[in-house]
Amino acid sequence: RKEVEQDPGPFNVPEGATVAFNCTYSNSASQSFFWYRQDCRKEPKLLMSVYSSGNEDGRFTAQLNRASQYISLLIRDSKLSDSATYLCVVREFNSGNTPLVFGKGTRLSVIA
Amino acid sequence: DAGVIQSPRHEVTEMGQEVTLRCKPISGHDYLFWYRQTMMRGLELLIYFNNNVPIDDSGMPEDRFSAKMPNASFSTLKIQPSEPRDSAVYFCASRTARVVGAGGSPLHFGNGTRLTVT
Repeated sequence: RKEVEQDPGPFNVPEGATVAFNCTYSNSASQSFFWYRQDCRKEPKLLMSVYSSGNEDGRFTAQLNRASQYISLLIRDSKLSDSATYLCVVREFNSGNTPLVFGKGTRLSVIA
Repeated sequence: DAGVIQSPRHEVTEMGQEVTLRCKPISGHDYLFWYRQTMMRGLELLIYFNNNVPIDDSGMPEDRFSAKMPNASFSTLKIQPSEPRDSAVYFCASRTARVVGAGGSPLHFGNGTRLTVT
C-alpha cells in the first residue's frame, strides 16, 4: 500500500490565525481525497472531501494538486475548538469499494 | 442512529491471554473495517468485510489475529495469544456501498477499544 505523508506538527497558532497543512501521496492513480479530524482520545470523523477544483466549507478550504500529488487544508480565523489532529486520507482507485489510506495526521493546537 | 458501537472501551490484559474485541456496525452498512492506531504507525487497516465476507486481510499482522463477521450486525477481532506490542487503539468502522458525493460514502468510526497488554 502506498504512503500518505503529513508533517506531524504540532502547529501551535493563536486564535484568529490562518493555518495550512499539506499532505503528499505517492500513488498517482489515487482518485479520491478527504480530510478527517480526530480529537484527542476520540475516533476520526470526516471533515470534508477534496474535489479536483478545490472546495470550501465555511472557514475550511481544501485543494488538490494532482501534478504535484499533494492536498492542502487551509483553516481561516482559527478557533480554540479547531485544536485536533487532521488526517489526510486517500482512496487509491476510482471506486467506492477500495479502503481508505490514512496519513499519520498533523496536530494543531490553537492557543488563546 | 446509534452509530458504530464497539466494546469494550478499555481492555487491560496480560501477555498470552486471549482478547476479543466486538463491533456492531451501523444498520444497513455494507462494509466493515477494522483499523489499529498507534503513535508510531498511525491508522493501519487490518481487515475489511463486504456483506459479511472478508475481502482483504493483508493488513492482519500475523496468525495471532483473526476476525469474523457472522452476520450483518456483528463482528469480532480476536488476538490469541496477545503480546505487549499489540497495545493500541482498535477502531471498527462501517459505511454504505452507495456512492455519496465524491469518492463514495464516508467512513463512520466507533469509539475504539484501547488495548493494553502487559
